[in-house]
Amino acid sequence: DAKTTQPTSMDCAEGRAANLPCNHSTISGNEYVYWYRQIHSQGPQYIIHGLKNNETNEMASLIITEDRKSSTLILPHATLRDTAVYYCIVLYSGGYQKVTFGTGTKLQVIP
Amino acid sequence: NAGVTQTPKFRILKIGQSMTLQCAQDMNHNYMYWYRQDPGMGLKLIYYSVGAGITDKGEVPNGYNVSRSTTEDFPLRLELAAPSQTSVYFCASSQGIGYEQYFGPGTRLTVT
Repeated sequence: DAKTTQPTSMDCAEGRAANLPCNHSTISGNEYVYWYRQIHSQGPQYIIHGLKNNETNEMASLIITEDRKSSTLILPHATLRDTAVYYCIVLYSGGYQKVTFGTGTKLQVIP
Repeated sequence: NAGVTQTPKFRILKIGQSMTLQCAQDMNHNYMYWYRQDPGMGLKLIYYSVGAGITDKGEVPNGYNVSRSTTEDFPLRLELAAPSQTSVYFCASSQGIGYEQYFGPGTRLTVT
């Protein structure tokens, strides 16, 4: 499985867009990029995933670079409830699905 | 749907005791997982299952056992509890390959 690199922490002003980067330079062609978040001691929550096209849902947008070596999760209008640890994960699309969560990015939304 | 449920929420064990952490899901998911999360760290996969009767080791399986007799249930057994097993344990399930995982609320375990 490809490894990911994320900044340890970030701050974002409430109401502004939060852009969370992730580097996955060793990703292979059949590996998806997934994003989860974990709000204080709760179980992680799925946000979004993509293969090579940009994706958008009701929670966030995912921008994947053309070479697929990095991606950015965008929360368009961050709220205080978005304060959480955000995990970027790369998953193989075939075979057994083993997930490796790193330490993620601690996003602090500031009033 | 209740989603993924875990019991108990909290437990304190003495060194050498045993216990079973319960996990159930009502989404008819084939895949189920057990993770542990130590303070300030990411999640580490303990065991996973791709269907009833099929289990496999994850990253940190030592000291744990699992079984999967039904699609719904995936209990995690701790034998001879040790202080190093003090952690928060999360169970998750997914529909299959390429699908998102749904997590339970966690069980906070302390071994003293």
